[in-house]
Parts: sequence; C-alpha cells; structure tokens
Amino acid sequence: DAKTTQPPSMDCAEGRAANLPCNHSTISGNEYVYWYRQIHSQGPQYIIHGLKNNETNEMASLIITEDRKSSTLILPHATLRDTAVYYCIVSRNDMRFGAGTRLTVKP
Amino acid sequence: DSGVTQTPKHLITATGQRVTLRCSPRSGDLSVYWYQQSLDQGLQFLIQYYNGEERAKGNILERFSAQQFPDLHSELNLSSLELGDSALYFCASSVDPAQGVNTEAFFGQGTRLTVV
Repeated sequence: DAKTTQPPSMDCAEGRAANLPCNHSTISGNEYVYWYRQIHSQGPQYIIHGLKNNETNEMASLIITEDRKSSTLILPHATLRDTAVYYCIVSRNDMRFGAGTRLTVKP
Repeated sequence: DSGVTQTPKHLITATGQRVTLRCSPRSGDLSVYWYQQSLDQGLQFLIQYYNGEERAKGNILERFSAQQFPDLHSELNLSSLELGDSALYFCASSVDPAQGVNTEAFFGQGTRLTVV
C-alpha cells in the first residue's frame, strides 16, 4: 500500500473551513483514499473516501487531484468538536495508519 | 455506535500473563482488523482477517496471535505480557465484499490493557 505524508499539526478558527492536505505520490490505480479521525482516545471514525472523483458527504468534502498524487479533506465550518487527529490512508486492502495531522480548532 | 463491539473495555494484568481480547464485527462485515495504540502514539496495524483467513500482517509480535471464527468474531491473544504491551487495542471491521475491493472500516471503542 502507498504511503502518505501529512503535516503534523494545523490550527483552524472556529466557523472557518479546515483544509487538511495529504500527499500520496506512490498511489496505484486501484487504491482508494480514505480519511478517518480520532478524537482523544476514542475509536477512529470514518469520514470519507474516494478513488478519483471529488466526494462530499454530511461531514466533509474530499478533493483528489487529477494525477491522484495528493488530496485535501475539507471541513467546511469547523467546530470545537472537530479537534482531533486526522488520518489519510491510501489502501487497496489492509489499512495502515500514519502519524496523521493534529487539527486544533480554536474559538 | 459503530456496531463493532470489543470486550472487555478495561483489563489489568501482571507481567508474564496471557489475555484474550474479543471483537464482534458489524453485522455482515467479513473483514476484521486489529490495531495497537500505545500512549500518545499512532495506530499500529497488527493483523487483518477476511472471512476466517489471515489477509495481511503488520507489526505483530510473535507473542501475539489472532484468529477469526466461523461466526466472524475475532480474538487477539497476547501472551508473556510485558509492561510495554500496555496500550489501547482497537478492532475494526469492514464489508470487503470482493477481493481487492475495500470499503470503509468501522472501529470499536477499544480495550485498554494495563500490564503491571
């Protein structure tokens, strides 16, 4: 499975959009991009996934570049409850998490 | 509620002992994953099962073993426990309806293991 690179931490103001980048330059054609988040020590929570088209659900939007080498998770109106570690994974089969991005939403 | 059930929620045991952690996947999910998360560390992938068969193996110690039963529940066995094995252990499940096609995984709330 391809590896991912994410910034270790980011801050965002409450009510603003949070844009979390992920690089996955070695992604192969049949690997999906998944995003999860972990709030404190709770079980990770699935957010969204996609193959090559942009995706949107009630939680977030996922923008995947045309060459699929990077993606951005967008939380359109971040709240304090969105403070968490966000993980980007590219996977065809197993799911191996990297270090993720610690997002802190500030009042 | 993700639909994935892990038991027990907390476990305290002594060094050298053996414990078994249990995971019941969501109804209909065929694939089960196990992860270890030490304090303030990331999620370390241990092992994945699909419909009773081992599918992928990560950084799982030889003292650890797992299996998935015909009813699809899974158990993670940890033996000869050391202080460093203290961690949160998460289980996740996914549908994985066809080989090579993955879907989102849902995580349980974890078992917190403390080795004293």
